[in-house]
Amino acid sequence: GEDVEQSLFLSVREGDSSVINCTYTDSSSTYLYWYKQEPGAGLQLLTYIFSNMDMKQDQRLTVLLNKKDKHLSLRIADTQTGDSAIYFCAAQPNTGNQFYFGTGTSLTVIP
Amino acid sequence: NAGVTQTPKFQVLKTGQSMTLQCAQDMNHEYMSWYRQDPGMGLRLIHYSVGAGITDQGEVPNGYNVSRSTTEDFPLRLLSAAPSQTSVYFCASSYRQRDQPQHFGDGTRLSIL
Repeated sequence: GEDVEQSLFLSVREGDSSVINCTYTDSSSTYLYWYKQEPGAGLQLLTYIFSNMDMKQDQRLTVLLNKKDKHLSLRIADTQTGDSAIYFCAAQPNTGNQFYFGTGTSLTVIP
Repeated sequence: NAGVTQTPKFQVLKTGQSMTLQCAQDMNHEYMSWYRQDPGMGLRLIHYSVGAGITDQGEVPNGYNVSRSTTEDFPLRLLSAAPSQTSVYFCASSYRQRDQPQHFGDGTRLSIL
């Protein structure tokens, strides 16, 4: 199956940009997703990118996809304390119907 | 819109007890799934369903049963609870089985003593 990996922790100062990285092994996924999980809550879809795109921008969020290196990143501009949460990347390879999630990156924003 | 509804939100069981975690969605989604979330391990797929009457195993199915008698409901049954099943359980659904984002419930926090 797919192996999706993320670093566990990231700490940034309020107002700075955050970059959360993700690597995956199966390049057949049509879409790649980013989810946000706040404490005590479920996962909320943040954004996604189609596999034939290199970049997608959505307000403060920028997703970059490097298919050659199987690397996905999420950049949050002007990071706010409300952005503190766990961020998950996810993929659904064409080889099956399962979604695969990374371990999640816990983002802490320091005021 | 209710979206994906999970009940109960919290539960404490004794080893050996059985229980059913409920999941319902009102979006007419074909695809439903159950995950468990443990610290440092992300989300691991337990079982999933691509439509009423169809279920399949995920990454960690042992100790759990599911059924999908209607499009709306996808209950998860623990047959004989073990401490290793202490976790947060999430139900998710998507409109189709492929190329659609999943929508998550708020989770059930389960402790097995």
